[in-house]
Amino acid sequence: DGGITQSPKYLFRKEGQNVTLSCEQNLNHDAMYWYRQDPGQGLRLIYYSQIVNDFQKGDIAEGYSVSREKKESFPLTVTSAQKNPTAFYLCASGRPSLVATNEKLFFGSGTQLSVL
Amino acid sequence: SQELEQSPQSLIVQEGKNLTINCTSSKTLYGLYWYKQKYGEGLIFLMMLQKGGEEKSHEKITAKLDEKKQQSSLHITASQPSHAGIYLCGAVSNAGGTSYGKLTFGQGTILTVHP
Repeated sequence: DGGITQSPKYLFRKEGQNVTLSCEQNLNHDAMYWYRQDPGQGLRLIYYSQIVNDFQKGDIAEGYSVSREKKESFPLTVTSAQKNPTAFYLCASGRPSLVATNEKLFFGSGTQLSVL
Repeated sequence: SQELEQSPQSLIVQEGKNLTINCTSSKTLYGLYWYKQKYGEGLIFLMMLQKGGEEKSHEKITAKLDEKKQQSSLHITASQPSHAGIYLCGAVSNAGGTSYGKLTFGQGTILTVHP
């Protein structure tokens, strides 16, 4: 089945530690996105990538890093510089131009990151 | 950036009742999406609206986009416990005339349906 796979489902981070969240898609989508969800705040865009080897900062990129070495993969690293990392992280993929092609974003099932 | 305001923030209804969730934008909406989310899970696509005055329905859920393309509503008829969850509206950010496919989201509306 085609879709987006996020792993792990739950992740715990120790003080000063970097952690990496995995996101893989087999939908042949060029664009991939990372969102952060906090209670009562909806989704906020962290980083997005429209093509391999290129990515752009979203609204809350500080303390995060990404890479896009393969079309199928868009891992997110939460660095020790992110002082409040506890949140639900969602990965999404889609066509770069959503409206023009009447497309939608497809979402993974999310990773809950907590600080120990 | 595009600001999306959803109301109400939470809603509790009795099974069988109708309800409406609103999504208001500070700017013209180039594409308005409605998603549903179960707690701790990913988002499920419901509907997308593009044109002013457009209305779409799926089963008991109807979404509308006003003529000015700055407000959308999601209406559920005869609600059921299966409708419970978080409803989020999202809008495409259109920067410089090019759609990068970025979706900006509202804060979500938590719907509880009591049997």
